[in-house]
Amino acid sequence: QVQLQESGPGLVKPSQTLSLTCTVTGGSISIADYYWSWVRQHPGKGLEWIGYIYYSGTTYYNPSLKSRVTISVDTSKNQFSLKLSSVTAADTAVYYCARGMLWDFDSWGQGTLVTVSS
Amino acid sequence: IVLTQSPDTLSLSAGERATLSCRASQSVTSSYLAWYQQKPGQAPRLLIYGASFKATGIPARFSGSGSGTDFTLTISRLEPEDFAIYYCQHYTSSPPMCSFGQGTKLEIK
Repeated sequence: QVQLQESGPGLVKPSQTLSLTCTVTGGSISIADYYWSWVRQHPGKGLEWIGYIYYSGTTYYNPSLKSRVTISVDTSKNQFSLKLSSVTAADTAVYYCARGMLWDFDSWGQGTLVTVSS
Repeated sequence: IVLTQSPDTLSLSAGERATLSCRASQSVTSSYLAWYQQKPGQAPRLLIYGASFKATGIPARFSGSGSGTDFTLTISRLEPEDFAIYYCQHYTSSPPMCSFGQGTKLEIK
């Protein structure tokens, strides 16, 4: 059974870059048909899709975040990563990594809270 | 495409039937409509994909239906562990993009 685990700083200063990594265990990140995603949830709010990546490196991003987002994959480490630049307090959220087809998310990490504050 | 869920909050008792609605701003492909359950402090859990197909391990009391712009998640007889927030989610292909509804909180009456 595949498991996903987010890691990275819990506190980021405004204007800096948020960087998170998702480590996949129990299965290969290079499996066909699955996409590896980032989804965030602002405190007490709903879910927002950030983007996803295929093991080949193909990426798709939420247009509202596209100018600030980079998702990358390291198949040798079975990891994928999120970078979100020029963060503000509005980027404070729980960030989840997830796996699924293009159209749903069937496995999720436990989530990690990232706070943007000086 | 905007997904609007109703009601925002649904207050019911264990044993009752719950009906949650998800309405899309324009007609969507049923194959790309999913439902998730989220409990406090936990990640979302996939319940239904393709509008009506149960994900692995989901109890039979959960069912999904609908087409076009109107979709429904039904819980036939509520168990105590079903009280949570439920989200619908849709995918569009040009360009690939996912969006979520705002959620329905199912609370104990």
